[in-house]
Amino acid sequence: NAGVTQTPKFQVLKTGQSMTLQCAQDMNHNSMYWYRQDPGMGLRLIYYSASEGTTDKGEVPNGYNVSRLNKREFSLRLESAAPSQTSVYFCASSERRGNQPQHFGDGTRLSIL
Amino acid sequence: AQSVTQLDSHVSVSEGTPVLLRCNYSSSYSPSLFWYVQHPNKGLQLLLKYTSAATLVKGINGFEAEFKKSETSFHLTKPSAHMSDAAEYFCVVSDNQAGTALIFGKGTTLSVSS
Repeated sequence: NAGVTQTPKFQVLKTGQSMTLQCAQDMNHNSMYWYRQDPGMGLRLIYYSASEGTTDKGEVPNGYNVSRLNKREFSLRLESAAPSQTSVYFCASSERRGNQPQHFGDGTRLSIL
Repeated sequence: AQSVTQLDSHVSVSEGTPVLLRCNYSSSYSPSLFWYVQHPNKGLQLLLKYTSAATLVKGINGFEAEFKKSETSFHLTKPSAHMSDAAEYFCVVSDNQAGTALIFGKGTTLSVSS
């Protein structure tokens, strides 16, 4: 009964290092999302994938890239980490885009020094 | 453009008393609305959703919300708070027409004292 699984749960990076956050869902959902959560800001969408083979930018895509590896997996990459990317990152999935509820992982807490 | 405003950043109640978390929305089209809860160091969990059926929506753990189009509100209520309700709550809107991803409010932290 895993749902959405994110790895790693915690990570500390130095400025300029690269990192890939992994996300996998076992609910056969078509759509997947990456958000960042910062204090007092709610969740902001970084990238999403409406279906396998497609990806699109969200509200705050700068400094990030994504890959929809297959229907189950959606990864987020920081090519050159910056302190402003210190945040909690959440992956989510839904049956499709639009008015569907999303199912969230437990998050990756990322600190950039 | 659609948006959502949570009117209180922090609400404190005593155990056994009613809970009211306020949310106003703005949408160009008929919206779908959600409430999510986030416990410390956890992901978000869906409490309830409104998708143009009944205006009074019942969710998990005794929570409910009423969609009021005339007031553009979707307030979350619970008759009697429990200690385990202490968490952060997010009001969320999705635009059916454009099919965009969810737009989150900034959250309301609910504290429950004994």
